[in-house]
Amino acid sequence: EDKVVQSPLSLVVHEGDTVTLNCSYEVTNFRSLLWYKQEKKAPTFLFMLTSSGIEKKSGRLSSILDKKELFSILNITATQTGDSAVYLCAVPRRTSYDKVIFGPGTSLSVIP
Amino acid sequence: NAGVTQTPKFQVLKTGQSMTLQCAQDMNHNSMYWYRQDPGMGLRLIYYSASEGTTDKGEVPNGYNVSRLNKREFSLRLESAAPSQTSVYFCASSERGGAQPQHFGDGTRLSIL
Repeated sequence: EDKVVQSPLSLVVHEGDTVTLNCSYEVTNFRSLLWYKQEKKAPTFLFMLTSSGIEKKSGRLSSILDKKELFSILNITATQTGDSAVYLCAVPRRTSYDKVIFGPGTSLSVIP
Repeated sequence: NAGVTQTPKFQVLKTGQSMTLQCAQDMNHNSMYWYRQDPGMGLRLIYYSASEGTTDKGEVPNGYNVSRLNKREFSLRLESAAPSQTSVYFCASSERGGAQPQHFGDGTRLSIL
């Protein structure tokens, strides 16, 4: 059965720390992996990864994919309280690209 | 820019009542989705519409129906609400398919007593 697993499920860090969030997947005929950030309301898109080893960056956030080992990591450097959110990993099924499997999310709390 | 708009934002129903959640997007996207989000379970797909005129079941379709009214609007109907349907419901859209980034509405918090 296709699945997406994220770890840790929750994390508390101090401002300025660097964090690494993990997403592993078992999805038949993988096509892409997407990361979303969810604060109080709607998830918002962060990154889409399709190729192994190519890092995507946006400010203090970066992400990379390993298609051989079936995982992705999301790094946040110099964390700020505004980074507090749930980070969701999602993988579309290749048999039906619209059927996206979301992981349970990692809840990140950044304390001053 | 409005993006994806959901109504209502909150609703309390009694068991057995029916209601329709509304969703509209103004980005000219082809694909639209309905998800539910429960604590510890992430987002689970209820129904989706790959393009205007088509709808299909997701992971948890039982107890729900959908209508893709036109390219902009995708509604979710609970015919006879049950307490197990208490959840936060999100509508989303993407240009074409879930492999592309989805844009989400702010959600509807639904409680069924």
